[in-house]
Amino acid sequence: QKEVEQNSGPLSVPEGAIASLNCTYSDRGSQSFFWYRQYSGKSPELIMFIYSNGDKEDGRFTAQLNKASQYVSLLIRDSQPSDSATYLCAVKRRYGKLTFGQGTILTVHP
Amino acid sequence: EAGVVQSPRYKIIEKKQPVAFWCNPISGHNTLYWYRQNLGQGPELLIRYENEEAVDDSQLPKDRFSAERLKGVDSTLKIQPAELGDSAVYLCASSSFRAYEQYFGPGTRLTVT
Repeated sequence: QKEVEQNSGPLSVPEGAIASLNCTYSDRGSQSFFWYRQYSGKSPELIMFIYSNGDKEDGRFTAQLNKASQYVSLLIRDSQPSDSATYLCAVKRRYGKLTFGQGTILTVHP
Repeated sequence: EAGVVQSPRYKIIEKKQPVAFWCNPISGHNTLYWYRQNLGQGPELLIRYENEEAVDDSQLPKDRFSAERLKGVDSTLKIQPAELGDSAVYLCASSSFRAYEQYFGPGTRLTVT
């Protein structure tokens, strides 16, 4: 079992819709959870991160954690074509290394 | 503020040749990371430095890979000799000590022929 698993996609949504991205993790000791966006040919860029104690909303983005199910999600409201990218989920113990999933390709079509 | 700087951006070499990558982290960042990203995969940590000390190198293939971070600032990652399977993007990232956010450089795309 991979430590962090994501559906590779591609996930295709129409412009203006809500995109829902998910990942599961296996390490119950994980304490922080990250979402990175990576455009083709570019390096990962941090969108947001949450701790094990709660969800977070930042503009059009909401990150949610279901600790019991070891499941993290990222919702993108009012999706725009510029949101088309690969979204990487990553998890971390308190002082441990960042472990990434394989990423989900999101395509937002006009 | 300048971001993480890496060079070269692209490198094509023949197998069995050596190659080196250089990284300059964000000013003031004590922690430096080297990742390898294969096509269609997420980055995988190779080595993490806290200042000059390598604190996590468990994923570094030590038979052919080496890294150094002299004076706790710039870092170099070397592969000798390179194999076909080493073709990937090598990413450097940095962060403040024990900070959650890591900032990635543009990466070096290595192609081994």
